[in-house]
Amino acid sequence: IAGITQAPTSQILAAGRRMTLRCTQDMRHNAMYWYRQDLGLGLRLIHYSNTAGTTGKGEVPDGYSVSRANTDDFPLTLASAVPSQTSVYFCASSDLAGEADTQYFGPGTRLTVL
Amino acid sequence: GQNIDQPTEMTATEGAIVQINCTYQTSGFNGLFWYQQHAGEAPTFLSYNVLDGLEEKGRFSSFLSRSKGYSYLLLKELQMKDSASYLCAVKDSNYQLIWGAGTKLIIKP
Repeated sequence: IAGITQAPTSQILAAGRRMTLRCTQDMRHNAMYWYRQDLGLGLRLIHYSNTAGTTGKGEVPDGYSVSRANTDDFPLTLASAVPSQTSVYFCASSDLAGEADTQYFGPGTRLTVL
Repeated sequence: GQNIDQPTEMTATEGAIVQINCTYQTSGFNGLFWYQQHAGEAPTFLSYNVLDGLEEKGRFSSFLSRSKGYSYLLLKELQMKDSASYLCAVKDSNYQLIWGAGTKLIIKP
């Protein structure tokens, strides 16, 4: 593994189903983030975690939950999917060190909820 | 509210220079980032500005004026592979990134 991986690459899901999007990083970064990207809108932060064991809510957290049991993994769960959650989901990480604190992104998961 | 404005789309010619503008209104300012995103791919980091002035990185430069809430990304000697979306993002007072919707840059031969 090099960088950040996400799984699955894409998924079609029936409304009402539960779904977990996986994210793993091997850079030992402290912070991890989940964004959604919709056409015509900027990336919107769903949840974040500044360190293992802690999580926080972003701009659009409703309908999503996260956990951060260890440094490397940051899964995003949709408890009961709805069509408005159709989007491309990106996981990102940063080391929270230094002024820039640049975020690095995984390849994304394209989710369609029918 | 917080707002990042960028043009939706721009067209330029291979070999030319293009400037992509970004204006922002955010609660606090802790740096401005530019990312490049090719269609169907993840955003990748291009540049970071926290002080006023110009930062140059090869063919790409980024400028910041904090007093005007303004930045631009300058791309020189355009190549076909520069066709992508360019995302402007500002780190606010909570150290969260606020993202613009992106500027789709089309390069014509």
